[in-house]
Amino acid sequence: DVKVTQSSRYLVKRTGEKVFLECVQDMDHENMFWYRQDPGLGLRLIYFSYDVKMKEKGDIPEGYSVSREKKERFSLILESASTNQTSMYLCASSIRGTGGSNEQFFGPGTRLTVL
Amino acid sequence: QQQVKQSPQSLIVQKGGIPIINCAYENTAFDYFPWYQQFPGKGPALLIAIRPDVSEKKEGRFTISFNKSAKQFSLHIMDSQPGDSATYFCAARGNSGAGSYQLTFGKGTKLSVIP
Repeated sequence: DVKVTQSSRYLVKRTGEKVFLECVQDMDHENMFWYRQDPGLGLRLIYFSYDVKMKEKGDIPEGYSVSREKKERFSLILESASTNQTSMYLCASSIRGTGGSNEQFFGPGTRLTVL
Repeated sequence: QQQVKQSPQSLIVQKGGIPIINCAYENTAFDYFPWYQQFPGKGPALLIAIRPDVSEKKEGRFTISFNKSAKQFSLHIMDSQPGDSATYFCAARGNSGAGSYQLTFGKGTKLSVIP
């Protein structure tokens, strides 16, 4: 059974803290994604990676960075957390090829609260 | 700039009714249109998808209708059940370059099916 796991379901941090959100997939997928989900705004892409050590900015990369040192692991970093980064963060992965569905498999999400 | 517009934002139907969720897009480079279903506390999961060379696709009680000339597609749920209560996201994928890895999501529709 395919699986995307996220390190925490709930996280509470203080303004200015450095925050690491970890995501691991066991499907040997090339592509990995970080989204944030906010009510009324849907899913917005923060960053994605199509290979180890590769990264591409999504629609809302400001205030975030990412790291992909191993194929199965993709980390989202909030260098200095702010209250407007309080949100649900979702990680996803997919195969690289364009001929198929490229179905994205999502983790359960991390609900981050920044106080 | 919202590339995929989804409506309505929320929808309440009686059990057995046929909820319809609509999406519209502008980018003619999109070539794959999936729908994702998300239950509370879970990440989104692929429900059904369509390519623009067909006008309709049916899987069980779920049907996508696609109108390429109008750049619109919709999800119909036949004989809806309380267990269908979830948030539904339409999405679209580009056909080249980095866009072929990414999904652009609509803002979501929260469906409630009441007994």
